[in-house]
Amino acid sequence: GEDVEQSLFLSVREGDSSVINCTYTDSSSTYLYWYKQEPGAGLQLLTYIFSNMDMKQDQRLTVLLNKKDKHLSLRIADTQTGDSAIYFCAESIRNDYKLSFGAGTTVTVRA
Amino acid sequence: DTEVTQTPKHLVMGMTNKKSLKCEQHMGHRAMYWYKQKAKKPPELMFVYSYEKLSINESVPSRFSPECPNSSLLNLHLHALQPEDSALYLCASSQVGADPANTGELFFGEGSRLTVL
Repeated sequence: GEDVEQSLFLSVREGDSSVINCTYTDSSSTYLYWYKQEPGAGLQLLTYIFSNMDMKQDQRLTVLLNKKDKHLSLRIADTQTGDSAIYFCAESIRNDYKLSFGAGTTVTVRA
Repeated sequence: DTEVTQTPKHLVMGMTNKKSLKCEQHMGHRAMYWYKQKAKKPPELMFVYSYEKLSINESVPSRFSPECPNSSLLNLHLHALQPEDSALYLCASSQVGADPANTGELFFGEGSRLTVL
């Protein structure tokens, strides 16, 4: 994940909003993804955004993309204990099988 | 069915053993992947099969041998592994091709946790 960077840890109070940030370097990225990994489990796609979009909202999740700054963020509204997990940002280029993952942000939700 | 199924969930093996990890999907995906993941780290790509042919090998040691018997199955044969190979091995699948509906999303299995003694 040297091309995709994320902060490693985030602690948030239950009911507050969480914001996880990610920066990427490849301007030819086609899709950008947020994956969630709970302890002992595989990766689950939370949401994705196409590179020609600025924002995507899906229930409690809001993704913002700033192509100029190559910055991606994921906002989780009303964070719950079940949101505690590692969140990976990833980028891909169309027709390339390789995803570049960030290092992952460990989100801890406290009561 | 949007699942990728991996077996076994846990595997403990000695350095002289031969074992296999198995992966199955029935979503009609023609690309299948093996990733290795160490604790608290992102997944690292090992192999990609596209239309049952090996298209990417990320310089993986030969003690790992992938096999794609058909479009739904992917195996990873393990032989003479080292303790540092202990990790979570994730299988994934995806659509292939330039179809605008193809978002490139990887569907991951729950993984096989391998311990090499």
